[in-house]
Amino acid sequence: DGGITQSPKYLFRKEGQNVTLSCEQNLNHDAMYWYRQDPGQGLRLIYYSQIVNDFQKGDIAEGYSVSREKKESFPLTVTSAQKNPTAFYLCASSPWLKGAYEQYFGPGTRLTVT
Amino acid sequence: SQQGEEDPQALSIQEGENATMNCSYKTSINNLQWYRQNSGRGLVHLILIRSNEREKHSGRLRVTLDTSKKSSSLLITASRAADTASYFCATHAGGTSYGKLTFGQGTILTVHP
Repeated sequence: DGGITQSPKYLFRKEGQNVTLSCEQNLNHDAMYWYRQDPGQGLRLIYYSQIVNDFQKGDIAEGYSVSREKKESFPLTVTSAQKNPTAFYLCASSPWLKGAYEQYFGPGTRLTVT
Repeated sequence: SQQGEEDPQALSIQEGENATMNCSYKTSINNLQWYRQNSGRGLVHLILIRSNEREKHSGRLRVTLDTSKKSSSLLITASRAADTASYFCATHAGGTSYGKLTFGQGTILTVHP
């Protein structure tokens, strides 16, 4: 099956710990994105990547880091510097960046930090 | 920043009725997209309308775009209980914004059987 996988579905961490969220796609898409969603809110862009070994900050990058070593993978690390990390995190990919095609989303990871 | 503002925030209807959701945005766009999100799940793309298009259909969905008013509407006809979800509009500005989308806060649609 083609698609985007995110793991784990639920993640619990103690305050002060870094945590890495996984995102893998087998759609052969060039671009990948990370969004944060808070209850009753829309999505806010954290980071995006157009090609391997390149990524750009989105609207709320502070306290987060990413890497793009492979086309298929775009992991997100939530660092201890992120003040309010508890949220629903969504990863997405799209097939052609400049064509602005639709984005395909993974099922999300719900992170709870206590 | 949230460019898309959606109205209403919540909509409750009976099965078989039509549901209309509106989206307004502030800056010029290349295209506008509508997505659906079931509770606690990822988003699913529904339809894309380009800035030079005024109306688009896909099954029971009808989207309109008025660039002069910077607004779009999504109409779901003959709604079903399975249409219950949150619906988001997302705008793409084009130019150097690459594939970036800016999402609205969404409309929660509840369809009662």
